[in-house]
Order: sequence, then C-alpha cells, then structure tokens
Amino acid sequence: GAGVSQSPSNKVTEKGKDVELRCDPISGHTALYWYRQSLGQGLEFLIYFQGNSAPDKSGLPSDRFSAERTGGSVSTLTIQRTQQEDSAVYLCASSLGLGFGEQFFGPGTRLTVL
Amino acid sequence: SQQGEEDPQALSIQEGENATMNCSYKTSINNLQWYRQNSGRGLVHLILIRSNEREKHSGRLRVTLDTSKKSSSLLITASRAADTASYFCATVVNTGNQFYFGTGTSLTVIP
Repeated sequence: GAGVSQSPSNKVTEKGKDVELRCDPISGHTALYWYRQSLGQGLEFLIYFQGNSAPDKSGLPSDRFSAERTGGSVSTLTIQRTQQEDSAVYLCASSLGLGFGEQFFGPGTRLTVL
Repeated sequence: SQQGEEDPQALSIQEGENATMNCSYKTSINNLQWYRQNSGRGLVHLILIRSNEREKHSGRLRVTLDTSKKSSSLLITASRAADTASYFCATVVNTGNQFYFGTGTSLTVIP
C-alpha cells in the first residue's frame, strides 16, 4: 500500500483489558509518531521513533502505555489495564528523514473502553 | 506548553467566501505546518512554511508566518462545501522530534 495503515480501525474493550494497536508506516520512512486524539480535541503526542535511535517516550501518559517498532518498520502501541479515559482515536504518522517535514497519517484506531 | 492555539475554534461561512484561520505558538520553530482532518479520518498535510519564509501559496491556500509575533494564518479563498473540515497547525521545533498540534479550527462551508 502507498499510505500509512493502522489496525484495527475500531476496538471496543472492557476496562482492565490490554489492547494492541498496530501501525504500518510508509516504506522507507524512518520517523514514526503515535498521537492520541480525544473527541473534539487536538492531537496529543505520545511517542516518536527515529531509525534505530532510542524512542522519545516523553508523551506517554502513564506506564500502562508502551510502544515498540520492530525492524524499523511496523510499530505496536500497547495499552495495559485499559481505563475509560483511554478511549480516544489513536493516530500513527510517518515521515522521511529527521522528522522536520510532512507527516503522513494513518486513518487511526478508535478505541472505546467500556 | 509549546502547543499551538488556533483561532477561531469554529467558523461557518457561505460557499465562495474566504476563510481565515490563525495559529499562535510559544517557542522558536523550524517550520510550521497546516493539516486538514475530515470527520473520522486521519490528518492530511496541506502546506509547510519554514521559519525564514513569510508567505507561501498552494492553490487556493495562502499561509503567512510572523515569527516576531509567533503567529501564522491560513487563508482559503473561494471556499467550497468540500472544504468543510477541521484545520490544525503544527509547529516543529529545531530538534525535529516533536510536532506540537493546536486544538484546531472547525470550518463549515455552507453550500
């Protein structure tokens, strides 16, 4: 595919369960970002990967959130022991180079925690 | 917070009119970008303006940047119903590892 893809598109889970969200960036893009967007709000930065460097985790809201990027490509965002306040759309984006340029966004995963 | 703030939060205009949205930010930047988001979808990049540029055009879009006032504006000329969306500015600091998105302007263009 030519664009960033995310799966699943929708996820409904019960409070306390763990969830995994997947992002497939554009091939060749070294920078990958995860954001969270609550209803009617702007984007909240979560984590940034650049090549093989250690990720910038400064935006993760709690230690229940973690992410990894395998082989410099696919990334997985994991939320453990989900809470209702984790309900949001989780967006992934990738970009070329050092990340100064245009970001290409996936369609997002809508997470609902009951 | 270095987060940008868009103004107004919501804007409703008639088709054919121009729409102007503003963005203010707090710290020095490498560049500023504008994105569009249709309901329920991801963001789409519209235009990037570097810190040493003052104005940039792309089709019906015109972006200005005033680094002394730490502000930018996005002008959409001759608006169309299809322009209805939320518009976000994103500031990119010189380390390049974080994009700071504003809270967005919701634009409604009435046919």
